[in-house]
Amino acid sequence: QSVLTQPPSASGTPGQRVTISCSGSSSNIGSNTVNWYQQLPGTAPKLLIYSNNQRPSGVPDRFSGSKSGTSASLAISGLQSEDEADYYCAAWDDSLNVLFGGGTKLTVL
Amino acid sequence: QVQLQESGPGLVKPSQTLSLTCTVSGGSISSGGYYWSWIRQHPGKGLEWIGYIYYSGSTYYNPSLKSRVTISVDTSKNQFSLKLSSVTAADTAVYYCARGSYYYDSSGYYTVLFDYWGQGTLVTVSS
Repeated sequence: QSVLTQPPSASGTPGQRVTISCSGSSSNIGSNTVNWYQQLPGTAPKLLIYSNNQRPSGVPDRFSGSKSGTSASLAISGLQSEDEADYYCAAWDDSLNVLFGGGTKLTVL
Repeated sequence: QVQLQESGPGLVKPSQTLSLTCTVSGGSISSGGYYWSWIRQHPGKGLEWIGYIYYSGSTYYNPSLKSRVTISVDTSKNQFSLKLSSVTAADTAVYYCARGSYYYDSSGYYTVLFDYWGQGTLVTVSS
């Protein structure tokens, strides 16, 4: 069971805005930054958001991240069919470990 | 463009040692600044961080796997490797190597991110 808690699934229609939550504790999200990864079917994860809200070069600005207290969120606006993927949050934990969320499967209806 | 490629046996017998190598191209491990990491994903499950190595040879491992994990580096070949001993079926997973950055951001929060990943290799533990 992951220490970072994500909903197992989320869905939306093309053009919609969807959000995915990630809940942690004071020892991880509360005191360190959150990153988000996108994993398309059959591929390796890809860094989507780092340091809570920063986008690596090449990531569309449709993707945004935020953090408040011990929770974080990933928002995807203008949902597209190619956004259908698994999304994982991750953070350093003060127990000296990297933690990943259990993942959220996003379906574009 | 940095690229990483995992290699090694796809089948390991229970109680034996799993050995994988990651070959890095498009960048030198010796240049420093990055922590070369292993991450695994059990079938249909989430991601689990295994550990990292710096070019100098310093390592850090997931506390839950520490007793069984060894990560080493060969800078002359621009490779780093993973050994996981005493494997069981629970170690069956896709194993990824990745380039990691571990640092304090401008606000003083610790950031760990993986910006380049290998394609992953499935290792099955079975007799």
